[in-house]
Amino acid sequence: SQTIHQWPATLVQPVGSPLSLECTVEGTSNPNLYWYRQAAGRGLQLLFYSVGIGQISSEVPQNLSASRPQDRQFILSSKKLLLSDSGFYLCAWKGVGNTIYFGEGSWLTVV
Amino acid sequence: AQTVTQSQPEMSVQEAETVTLSCTYDTSENNYYLFWYKQPPSRQMILVIRQEAYKQQNATENRFSVNFQKAAKSFSLKISDSQLGDTAMYFCAFMKHVASGGSNYKLTFGKGTLLTVNP
Repeated sequence: SQTIHQWPATLVQPVGSPLSLECTVEGTSNPNLYWYRQAAGRGLQLLFYSVGIGQISSEVPQNLSASRPQDRQFILSSKKLLLSDSGFYLCAWKGVGNTIYFGEGSWLTVV
Repeated sequence: AQTVTQSQPEMSVQEAETVTLSCTYDTSENNYYLFWYKQPPSRQMILVIRQEAYKQQNATENRFSVNFQKAAKSFSLKISDSQLGDTAMYFCAFMKHVASGGSNYKLTFGKGTLLTVNP
């Protein structure tokens, strides 16, 4: 069966520090992968999606970047975090029937 | 661009009763998918139910069912026999269908409805 994992689960980082959130999917090949952000009290905003290795599409201009170095690995990064980058980040993949499945999420607090 | 509107920021229901959460969407597409996701306090996003727009029959999953009105662009979720574990934020989401070979599948979410089930 397919599973998706992301880490770390929680992260507290100072302003200006770098960020790396990692997501991996098991049990499938060449999945569409996504990074969403959920700010406090708000819905989900799509940040990036990827249809294959090295292929990244950005939905909104921001301080973040994404990379897909391997087929089932999706990384969200920043060189210098801002306070506004705080939030709950969710990795997701597109499964059978065009259904999107989510990972456990990562809490990022920028202080 | 597609938009999804959930007009009820918060709702509450007594245990064992039935509650309906509303969702409307705006699109010019004819083929698409609609979803309801549940986000409990753990924040994990869990798929509740899924509907393909080309299917007239309303989807059901145990105690969860939808009322899909394509012409009205409405997609409400009914929870029967509500349980304490149903307490969560519920998100309605839309996905445009892409022709075979395309890859631009993206979910657009509503802002959510916080459902509280009271004992």
